[in-house]
Amino acid sequence: GIQVEQSPPDLILQEGANSTLRCNFSDSVNNLQWFHQNPWGQLINLFYIPSGTKQNGRLSATTVATERYSLLYISSSQTTDSGVYFCAVELSTGTASKLTFGTGTRLQVTL
Amino acid sequence: DTEVTQTPKHLVMGMTNKKSLKCEQHMGHRAMYWYKQKAKKPPELMFVYSYEKLSINESVPSRFSPECPNSSLLNLHLHALQPEDSALYLCASSRTRTVNEQFFGPGTRLTVL
Repeated sequence: GIQVEQSPPDLILQEGANSTLRCNFSDSVNNLQWFHQNPWGQLINLFYIPSGTKQNGRLSATTVATERYSLLYISSSQTTDSGVYFCAVELSTGTASKLTFGTGTRLQVTL
Repeated sequence: DTEVTQTPKHLVMGMTNKKSLKCEQHMGHRAMYWYKQKAKKPPELMFVYSYEKLSINESVPSRFSPECPNSSLLNLHLHALQPEDSALYLCASSRTRTVNEQFFGPGTRLTVL
C-alpha cells in the first residue's frame, strides 16, 4: 500500500518561531488534507490541497503532486498550535476512496 | 455547519458487554467513515459507507458491526471486545466518497476491561 511519511516526527518551538512540516507520499494521490489533532483528540481541518498553495492566517500549505510531497508552514507559532499534525492522502480504488494518514508530527510550542 | 457529533465521549466496557457508538452529521454528506486510533499512532480506516451502503470494510473483526440507518447517522455496534480494542474511535463524513474532504467528530475514547 501507499506509504505516507512525515518529518520531523517531533518538534519543539519557542512561541513566535516559524516552522515547516513535510509530508512525503509514495504514489500518486487524488487529494491531500492537513489536520491538527488537539490534545483532546479532535481532528481539525487545516487544508484540502491536492496541488498548489493555500494560505489561512498564520498557516499555509503547498502540495507538489508531481514530486509527491506537501509542506505545511506555521508562522509566529502560538502555544495553541501544540498538538499533532497529520497529512492524509486520498486514494481512489475505483469503487471507493480511502484516506490514508501519515505518521504525524508532534509539535510543542513553549513560552 | 461543519459539525460531526459523536456519543458517548467516553465509554468503559467489559469484554462481555454490548455497546454502541453513535455518529451524526447534518451537512447533507452522503459518505461516512469509522476510524480507529491507538495512542501515538495515526487514525486507521475501519469502514466506509456511501449512500447508506457499506462500501469498504478494512478486514475489521466481526466483533465490530457498523450500521447506517439513514444518511445522517452512523453507528458502530460493539460486542465481545478485547482489551487491545481500547482506542479513540473517530467518525468522519464527506460530501460523497469521491468528493472527499473529510470532517471529523471529536471521537469516543473506549476502554475495554
